Amino acid sequence: DQQVKQNSPSLSVQEGRISILNCDYTNSMFDYFLWYKKYPAEGPTFLISISSIKDKNEDGRFTVFLNKSAKHLSLHIVPSQPGDSAVYFCAAVGDSGGGADGLTFGKGTHLIIQP
Amino acid sequence: ETGVTQSPTHLIKTRGQQVTLRCSSQSGHNTVSWYQQALGQGPQFIFQYYREEENGRGNFPPRFSGLQFPNYSSELNVNALELDDSALYLCASSLGRYNSPLHFGNGTRLTVT
Repeated sequence: DQQVKQNSPSLSVQEGRISILNCDYTNSMFDYFLWYKKYPAEGPTFLISISSIKDKNEDGRFTVFLNKSAKHLSLHIVPSQPGDSAVYFCAAVGDSGGGADGLTFGKGTHLIIQP
Repeated sequence: ETGVTQSPTHLIKTRGQQVTLRCSSQSGHNTVSWYQQALGQGPQFIFQYYREEENGRGNFPPRFSGLQFPNYSSELNVNALELDDSALYLCASSLGRYNSPLHFGNGTRLTVT
């Protein structure tokens, strides 16, 4: 049972336009959400996070939106640049009180920025 | 600032064998986590160590075990290897146990034949 879902395996966007990556979750215990970016042959790199007490967090070209009622979050990249081409993972965590639960990751979305 | 380093980068083992993977945490980080990433999947949480003790575990059998050393470096041990253990194994370090962004190494690619 996938608790974090990224339903688009790939997304192609023109350079300079907005990239929107989506993520849905099912576990209502999740209270902290993160996006990671991964280049081939490298480990994932932390991009941006959001706590469940917020509905938006912005860092430069990257903005994450959280809709708790819909259990949905999205990552907006504006403007998109060629270096943004990578696999993006959505991840979530919640403190169940029984020790560290670790991050639950989606399967990733491969973002391709077209020149 | 030294990042997370993992060794070896690639490894081939035979079913039934045992393997040890190693990880050096980012300087100043006291928490280490291990993840398994199968082909086409997102990373899956194996366990986390904080101050040399396991303080969280995912849905992995006991043949997956680990150690964290006083210098915060870590090992992942897998006994009785199975073909399905073939994956990329990622080590990540962080400062604190909860809600701290993880800093990942580049992983060890394990192939079990």
